[in-house]
Amino acid sequence: DQQVKQNSPSLSVQEGRISILNCDYTNSMFDYFLWYKKYPAEGPTFLISISSIKDKNEDGRFTVFLNKSAKHLSLHIVPSQPGDSAVYFCAASAVGNYQLIWGAGTKLIIKP
Amino acid sequence: DAGVTQSPTHLIKTRGQHVTLRCSPISGHKSVSWYQQVLGQGPQFIFQYYEKEERGRGNFPDRFSARQFPNYSSELNVNALLLGDSALYLCASSPRPGTGNQPQHFGDGTRLSIL
Repeated sequence: DQQVKQNSPSLSVQEGRISILNCDYTNSMFDYFLWYKKYPAEGPTFLISISSIKDKNEDGRFTVFLNKSAKHLSLHIVPSQPGDSAVYFCAASAVGNYQLIWGAGTKLIIKP
Repeated sequence: DAGVTQSPTHLIKTRGQHVTLRCSPISGHKSVSWYQQVLGQGPQFIFQYYEKEERGRGNFPDRFSARQFPNYSSELNVNALLLGDSALYLCASSPRPGTGNQPQHFGDGTRLSIL
């Protein structure tokens, strides 16, 4: 039972344009959602998180939007840069449970 | 400051053997978590330790065990290795147990291959 789903295995975006990565979840008990970026041969790096009581969080070029009624969140990267090419993971945690539940990841490719 | 360090970086074992993976958290971090990542999937939670006590366990068989030492470093042990244990094993640390408000910081992992 996949509680966190990233339905797009890959996404290709032109440099300078907006990248939008999507994530769906099924567990209404999730209270935090996080995005991590992973380069080959490196561990995941934390990007940005959002509490379930908010609908938007912004940090520089990265913005995460949360739609609780649709159980959907998205990560917007504006403008996209070549260094953004990586695998992006959506993860979530439930109230009182500190383990992270991860999606399968989306490989983002930024084209010059 | 040094990040999360894991050793070894790569390991090759045969079925039935035992393996120990090691992790040193970021200085000041008292919580350590272990994850298994199989190719093409997201990481799967194995254990979380805080102040040397197990705080959480994922859906893994008893062949998997872990412990945390007084200096907050941690070991993950896997007995009776199976082919399916081939994966990247990730260690993450945080100041205290937490997620969104205290994101976990990851090491680069140990790549375990079972022949």
